[in-house]
Amino acid sequence: DIQMTQSPSSLSASVGDRVTITCRASQGIRNDLGWYQQKPGKAPKRLIYAASSLQSGVPSRFSGSGSGTEFTLTISSLQPEDFATYYCLQHNSYPPTFGGGTKVEIK
Amino acid sequence: EVQLVESGGGLVQPGRSLRLSCAASGFTFDDYAMHWVRQAPGKGLEWVSGISWNSGSIGYADSVKGRFTISRDNAKNSLYLQMNSLRAEDTALYYCAKEDDFDYWGQGTLVTVSS
Repeated sequence: DIQMTQSPSSLSASVGDRVTITCRASQGIRNDLGWYQQKPGKAPKRLIYAASSLQSGVPSRFSGSGSGTEFTLTISSLQPEDFATYYCLQHNSYPPTFGGGTKVEIK
Repeated sequence: EVQLVESGGGLVQPGRSLRLSCAASGFTFDDYAMHWVRQAPGKGLEWVSGISWNSGSIGYADSVKGRFTISRDNAKNSLYLQMNSLRAEDTALYYCAKEDDFDYWGQGTLVTVSS
């Protein structure tokens, strides 16, 4: 199975901060990676697909980059509604595997 | 608008069975693979099972292999998960998700395994 190592597991940031979250795959997954946002009591919502494509309706302050084994989700200017938990997911090979999550909290 | 609505969760004793359903609308159901993903209370996301558009390809997580069975009825736009021999560690919110890139998710149905 491909292991997805996500870091950090949590972070504290202020509104307006630039935030970066990383996922590393244990083997190459091309760009078969998505980023998801989950708020308490809600289902995950996809923000980024194919590593760097912005899901329709998602604010442009979210961006993704990377290919192969290292991937990054960046929030350019953190907004109050962005405080949530973020997950990466690889779907290059079975079984699909998730990163452990990054909880973004208010500083 | 894509909609996925899970149902069938509840409180069940260890060793018993439960069948989850996911009703799909807003897209051509039989064009897409479907998946089940679960989330234990306070924990991360875990893929459980997936099925191709024509049921020709099916996969399971090792943690549920031999106990859970995924199926679909394309005529009814529905996905199912038959869960047998349930254990306490199967307690989770179960989501269905569309396609192999997991673009849309339902709101989940809660399964609690406890005596």
